[in-house]
Formats: sequence, C-alpha cells, structure tokens
Amino acid sequence: KNQVEQSPQSLIILEGKNCTLQCNYTVSPFSNLRWYKQDTGRGPVSLTIMTFSENTKSNGRYTATLDADTKQSSLHITASQLSDSASYICVVSDRVTGGGNKLTFGTGTQLKVEL
Amino acid sequence: ETGVTQTPRHLVMGMTNKKSLKCEQHLGHNAMYWYKQSAKKPLELMFVYSLEERVENNSVPSRFSPECPNSSHLFLHLHTLQPEDSALYLCASRQVLTGSYGYTFGSGTRLTVV
Repeated sequence: KNQVEQSPQSLIILEGKNCTLQCNYTVSPFSNLRWYKQDTGRGPVSLTIMTFSENTKSNGRYTATLDADTKQSSLHITASQLSDSASYICVVSDRVTGGGNKLTFGTGTQLKVEL
Repeated sequence: ETGVTQTPRHLVMGMTNKKSLKCEQHLGHNAMYWYKQSAKKPLELMFVYSLEERVENNSVPSRFSPECPNSSHLFLHLHTLQPEDSALYLCASRQVLTGSYGYTFGSGTRLTVV
C-alpha cells in the first residue's frame, strides 16, 4: 500500500531560525514528489515539484531535496518568518497504467514560527 | 486567488438539509477533483472528472453526488449528511495529457454538519 509519512507532526521555531521537515514514502512506481504549504482555512499551494532525476529544487527560502534511492525527501526553510506558519504537506505521485497518476498525501507537519 | 474559486467558504447544515458546494476554475484546465480533508488525516480523493467525464469515485457514500456540467465548473451536492462528514472540502484542477504535474487547489469549503 502506498504511504507517505511526515515528521515531525508539529514544530515550533523562533523567527529567523532554519528548520527541516522530513518525508518518507513507499509509493511505487514513483513519478514525482511535491511539497505544498497550507495556511489555516485555505487550500494547499504548491512550493516545489521534483521528478525522479531531480535531487534538489529551491523556491525562495524553501529548498526541497529528494533521494529516490532511500525514498526520502526534506523541505528546508531558511530564515523563517511569521508567515511561514502553516501546514506543510508532502505528496507523492505514482505512475499508473495508461499514463495517469495517483496522489498519496502525507498528514502534514504543522509549523509555527514565533517571535 | 489561485484561479480555483470555491463557494461558499463556510457552510453549516442540518442532517436533513440539501446543499451544494460549487467550484469554478479560470485556468483552462481539463480535469477537476473533489477532496475531503479531516483533522489530522491526509487528504482523501473523492471524485475525479477528466475531460468532463467522471473517471473515479473512491467509494464515496451516495449522500455525496458530484456534477460537472463543463470543464470549468464542478459541484458537490449534499443530502442527509452525518456529523462525521464535517470537514474541509477542497476542489482542485489540473491540465491532463500535457505532461504537466501541477494541481491548483481552491481555498475550500468548511462544512459543519449539526
């Protein structure tokens, strides 16, 4: 069964500090991995999308890494800001027969940035 | 705004009511999705419409009924819901058959069943 596990479940950091969120998956065959940011009461917004051949991808202060061999990804946030407080969701897409794909969602890491 | 608009943003309904959720996308995408997000659970796929045809129905109870009149609009009709159906209902869209991986989500409808 395809699964995506994220850690930690929740995290509190001080403004200006860095943090790293983890994602382990067992989705097969792998197509791509995405990180989404979801503010409270809003829908998820895409941060990065990585395919099998990509090891790292950045979007401003967000840097995602992917190790397809160990089936692990991380999202590193640099110089955190109060507006980074949100849930960060790891989503892995498989490649199903016929060229479509299915998404498997993690439960998210709830990040809170404090003064 | 992301280009996917959901209305209403909040809805409180009794178990005997009938209501509908609406989703509209202005991105020219040809596939639309309904997801359910409950507290501390992963998003659950409910329905998929691709090229205006329903291609997936993930064992969703019949009290949820989707409708996709065209590629820009998606509805979720609700009737005789249960309190456990209270959740955030998210609509998403994407462009299939082009190799694009991107899903765009709406802001969701927060549904409370009393």
